[in-house]
Amino acid sequence: ETGVTQTPRHLVMGMTNKKSLKCEQHLGHNAMYWYKQSAKKPLELMFVYSLEERVENNSVPSRFSPECPNSSHLFLHLHTLQPEDSALYLCASSQGGATDTQYFGPGTRLTVL
Amino acid sequence: QKEVEQNSGPLSVPEGAIASLNCTYSDRVSQSFFWYRQYSGKSPELIMSIYSNGDKEDGRFTAQLNKASQYVSLLIRDSQPSDSATYLCAVTHSGAGSYQLTFGKGTKLSVIP
Repeated sequence: ETGVTQTPRHLVMGMTNKKSLKCEQHLGHNAMYWYKQSAKKPLELMFVYSLEERVENNSVPSRFSPECPNSSHLFLHLHTLQPEDSALYLCASSQGGATDTQYFGPGTRLTVL
Repeated sequence: QKEVEQNSGPLSVPEGAIASLNCTYSDRVSQSFFWYRQYSGKSPELIMSIYSNGDKEDGRFTAQLNKASQYVSLLIRDSQPSDSATYLCAVTHSGAGSYQLTFGKGTKLSVIP
């Protein structure tokens, strides 16, 4: 595997379900990110982890819970989601510096029924 | 509130023409600027990065940065139908110990054969 991988690629869940999204980066990077992309809206940064520590907690609903067990893996735990949470969830990684490029995974298309 | 503004388009150009994509940003201390291309249903991929005033060329692509005017642009010469995609402008800013990207909504480009 190369680059940034995400699983699953598609997920359909009910509002009472609990699920997790997984991201893995094979680039030796120090920072990992979760983004949400909804139709007609800019990419929204949800969480940042740098050197495995969450450095900023955006005003994201608590029904989204991130976990970064090591520098290569990132999870997004989902519970009691709402239909408006349906979106493309993208993971990215970078070296963490001001000029460093963020590389994106293929994304997970989430549908909440 | 750090903002990145783009004309959402769609921008239609004939094959072989020059496509010009524009972006303005609000944070004067932004250091790094990126153009990503996103095909429908896919994740963003980096096209160009630029850090200092002036032009930067890479093949058919030229990025232009004017920090005084808080303006960055992307020119695509000899446009091809395969260039049809949404182009995202992204700007780095620092926040709470990490460097983060703020994205514009994107400009949808359509190259007509």
